Amino acid sequence: KAGVTQTPRYLIKTRGQQVTLSCSPISGHRSVSWYQQTPGQGLQFLFEYFSETQRNKGNFPGRFSGRQFSNSRSEMNVSTLELGDSALYLCASRDRANTGELFFGEGSRLTVL
Amino acid sequence: AQTVTQSQPEMSVQEAETVTLSCTYDTSESDYYLFWYKQPPSRQMILVIRQEAYKQQNATENRFSVNFQKAAKSFSLKISDSQLGDAAMYFCAYRSGSQGGSEKLVFGKGMKLTVNP
Repeated sequence: KAGVTQTPRYLIKTRGQQVTLSCSPISGHRSVSWYQQTPGQGLQFLFEYFSETQRNKGNFPGRFSGRQFSNSRSEMNVSTLELGDSALYLCASRDRANTGELFFGEGSRLTVL
Repeated sequence: AQTVTQSQPEMSVQEAETVTLSCTYDTSESDYYLFWYKQPPSRQMILVIRQEAYKQQNATENRFSVNFQKAAKSFSLKISDSQLGDAAMYFCAYRSGSQGGSEKLVFGKGMKLTVNP
């Protein structure tokens, strides 16, 4: 079974631009969550989706948004990029029947110049 | 809000030796889950071990075991017979058991483990 796939793996943007990151969960997984990882703040929860509905949201500004499609694939968008948005963005999925364990992708490394 | 603290940013261990990674957490909840995740240099986070708070027995997974002290809010990870492949960042994480199914994890800052040959 293929793992969680995130694209793109690396990207460079400039301040003020916007970016869209994609996440394809493990086949059959309906829950997708996103995390931001930075050296200073560590891993911080962004949001979580289940069956196309946002179930929980972290403490991030409105520039960070996401959505989930009917095939469980998810995207997150960051508008008006700031230097501080440079981070590794991790996506994780979970099978409804498997309580607790999240399966992570390798992440999308965003650099904002 | 729940917090997770990993006070040791780095540790090293000799191959075949045993090492213990510490983690403390703060919560007012009685129902929760605790996890140790490993993040090798390839960056993919992998679950090492999990512990349900209602279980008194400490979880074990092969060479990995935990010491769960609920009253002290302590959750340490012991790695026995350390191998070179154990070198990675290790994250302790907390998940509430009463979030209506939400999967939100609260992570510690992580600890870098080096395994010396």
